[in-house]
Amino acid sequence: ETGVTQTPRHLVMGMTNKKSLKCEQHLGHNAMYWYKQSAKKPLELMFVYSLEERVENNSVPSRFSPECPNSSHLFLHLHTLQPEDSALYLCASSQAPGQNTLLYTFGSGTRLTVV
Amino acid sequence: KQEVTQIPAALSVPEGENLVLNCSFTDSAIYNLQWFRQDPGKGLTSLLLIQSSQREQTSGRLNASLDKSSGRSTLYIAASQPGDSATYLCAGNQFYFGTGTSLTVIP
Repeated sequence: ETGVTQTPRHLVMGMTNKKSLKCEQHLGHNAMYWYKQSAKKPLELMFVYSLEERVENNSVPSRFSPECPNSSHLFLHLHTLQPEDSALYLCASSQAPGQNTLLYTFGSGTRLTVV
Repeated sequence: KQEVTQIPAALSVPEGENLVLNCSFTDSAIYNLQWFRQDPGKGLTSLLLIQSSQREQTSGRLNASLDKSSGRSTLYIAASQPGDSATYLCAGNQFYFGTGTSLTVIP
């Protein structure tokens, strides 16, 4: 375990379903991130929360909706997804962006398949 | 737009060899750089972080350097072992990731 826990590890959902991904960290970090990793592509930054405020929304479709209720928990709510949304979704945490001592800790990811 | 290239895309070496992985950025304004390894189906594990005031970092058999004038970084792995087999990714300025180098170390 890295200190960042993601659930579920695997998820298969239909295009009309609604589901949520969960991420939890108890490292004392105050920034959390969602990344999408597709085959043969670089990691794509989706959302950044710093001190529980969203500071980055990288042109992500509205069918992805993040929620950060506190500095230890991060959710990604999914609805009406498309097959091309199938990917590994990674959560990470760090000290707030911009600080010189930033260091990512990643979770193990949720493998999402949209059918 | 910042683009990150990692060369080679895949590498296969016999156990015991020293090897170098490369990472380059189209915009050389890189002020920090992090190297990760990723095992199949898993998340990323941080290996080394070079912060803005540094040029290189070492951890065990790993050494990473960053040339800020050219926007290039190298990861040197000494005396490779089968357990080093994984995909290695670099990330500059926290958010710009390469597609990785897939390393296989043959026993």
